[in-house]
Amino acid sequence: EPEVTQTPSHQVTQMGQEVILRCVPISNHLYFYWYRQILGQKVEFLVSFYNNEISEKSEIFDDQFSVERPDGSNFTLKIRSTKLEDSAMYFCASSDRQHNSPLHFGNGTRLTVT
Amino acid sequence: DAKTTQPPSMDCAEGRAANLPCNHSTISGNEYVYWYRQIHSQGPQYIIHGLKNNETNEMASLIITEDRKSSTLILPHATLRDTAVYYCIVRVAGQGGSEKLVFGKGTKLTVNP
Repeated sequence: EPEVTQTPSHQVTQMGQEVILRCVPISNHLYFYWYRQILGQKVEFLVSFYNNEISEKSEIFDDQFSVERPDGSNFTLKIRSTKLEDSAMYFCASSDRQHNSPLHFGNGTRLTVT
Repeated sequence: DAKTTQPPSMDCAEGRAANLPCNHSTISGNEYVYWYRQIHSQGPQYIIHGLKNNETNEMASLIITEDRKSSTLILPHATLRDTAVYYCIVRVAGQGGSEKLVFGKGTKLTVNP
């Protein structure tokens, strides 16, 4: 069964450094999402992406964050200057059309900012 | 946005049916009810979704009341591997046609041997 894959599984970085989290969505999917989950807290929506542009973003997704689909298969989340509070699990998801198509999630990247 | 209410935790004996309730009294006519689960810190896993009819797949059954104000997810024969946090989500229509999922706190289901 096709799945969303994320790399790396664990990323450790120093405060102020840039990180890029990578995702390969399911191949025929058109809609892409990033979520995050701080330890012990809810899964939070960050951003959705369709047709090479952001469809919606949350208040969390400030100017330090950006997303890109650099080629036909990858979908990336960049954090320009990481802060301690960016430490979290980051989940990528994709879906194949609007309305009743479910989102399929990857197993996440654990980002640790020291 | 329609909101959901779930009990924070439930227990179930292995081999028994697990019935997880969800209230969504403000759901709109074109909003679907989705169920996901999260095992440990893995990514949320899609289980099932429905609009107004009851649905069944290889993982679970979804029973939606006639007025659509509540639903129940049924795991017919729970196993230890079904221990997870279960999320009931009413899917909202986001800007630009994207339809994000908004996660609540869910129900922590513990399946006991």
